[in-house]
Amino acid sequence: AQSVTQPDIHITVSEGASLELRCNYSYGATPYLFWYVQSPGQGLQLLLKYFSGDTLVQGIKGFEAEFKRSQSSFNLRKPSVHWSDAAEYFCAVMEYGNKLVFGAGTILRVKS
Amino acid sequence: DGGITQSPKYLFRKEGQNVTLSCEQNLNHDAMYWYRQDPGQGLRLIYYSQIVNDFQKGDIAEGYSVSREKKESFPLTVTSAQKNPTAFYLCASIKNTEAFFGQGTRLTVV
Repeated sequence: AQSVTQPDIHITVSEGASLELRCNYSYGATPYLFWYVQSPGQGLQLLLKYFSGDTLVQGIKGFEAEFKRSQSSFNLRKPSVHWSDAAEYFCAVMEYGNKLVFGAGTILRVKS
Repeated sequence: DGGITQSPKYLFRKEGQNVTLSCEQNLNHDAMYWYRQDPGQGLRLIYYSQIVNDFQKGDIAEGYSVSREKKESFPLTVTSAQKNPTAFYLCASIKNTEAFFGQGTRLTVV
């Protein structure tokens, strides 16, 4: 079965600092990879996705992610974090049958 | 606006009672999914349906049941057999690898 690992449960960064959230996946074929963001008590919003092609993917809200096949990673980055970015972030891989397999999530706290 | 509607947003039930969570979509999507979210565990798949009148168990189906009588609707019943039903439940539909999520239902069993 496919799996997604997000090794950091919580991350705290200062407003204006750069951010990197880690994601590792296990999947035999070329993965379809996603990053979602969730505000408390809300549904999930898609930040970006990777299917093929350019390994650096741009998303909404200034986020980007880089697919590295050799490391089985799909880390999410943002050059300068805003207080409104505080939320929980989920990495996911899509497996056969259009089923999304999620990581455990990383809670981002932004300090002013 | 097209989307996924889950109701109610908050639900309280006594232990031992069955409860049904509603999920409706007007996106004309064939595939619908139910996920359970617990702190520190991400989202885990309960049931999914690729087409009307057909559904499959996900990773944590025990204690849950679903039906898919209409394309627009995919209700989830949390039965008394579910040992720890208190959680946040998210419904989704997926088409062409794009997923749309509802706003979730928080179920608390007391």
